[in-house]
Amino acid sequence: EPEVTQTPSHQVTQMGQEVILRCVPISNHLYFYWYRQILGQKVEFLVSFYNNEISEKSEIFDDQFSVERPDGSNFTLKIRSTKLEDSAMYFCASNEGGQGFRYGYTFGSGTRLTVV
Amino acid sequence: LAKTTQPISMDSYEGQEVNITCSHNNIATNDYITWYQQFPSQGPRFIIQGYKTKVTNEVASLFIPADRKSSTLSLPRVSLSDTAVYYCLFISGNTPLVFGKGTRLSVIA
Repeated sequence: EPEVTQTPSHQVTQMGQEVILRCVPISNHLYFYWYRQILGQKVEFLVSFYNNEISEKSEIFDDQFSVERPDGSNFTLKIRSTKLEDSAMYFCASNEGGQGFRYGYTFGSGTRLTVV
Repeated sequence: LAKTTQPISMDSYEGQEVNITCSHNNIATNDYITWYQQFPSQGPRFIIQGYKTKVTNEVASLFIPADRKSSTLSLPRVSLSDTAVYYCLFISGNTPLVFGKGTRLSVIA
């Protein structure tokens, strides 16, 4: 079964540092998403990406965040200057697009970001 | 924004059938109902999706009455490995999924 792959699985960074979280979506998928989940809380939508541009973003996705699909396979989330409250699990997801949404979105196993 | 309401938690013994009901009084005409499962420290996993009546796949069934104001996820003969959080959500096209708190299912031996 095709998978969404995320790297690294765990990243520890110092406050104020930049981090890049990487995702390889399923190859024929067209829509890409980033979510985060702070420990013990619900899964929160950050941003969606289609046709090489952001299609929707939440209030959480402020100027500290950016996304990129640099090479047609990777999908990255950059946090420019990390804060303690950015500590969370970050999940990447993708779906086929078109009527493919009926088959569900595929999530990666996540990157645990710890800001110290 | 359409909202779903589901129980915060449920307990079940192994081998039992578990039914988790979700209320969604203001579901829109274009919305599908979709359920996801999440284990600790893992990403959500798609279980099943439907628009109305009954949908069944290899892991679950989804019952949606004609008025579509609720839906019921049915898990037949649960095992310990079904202990997880289950989310009821709407989807319309490729819009982002909006997660609530879900239902924490605990399966007991």
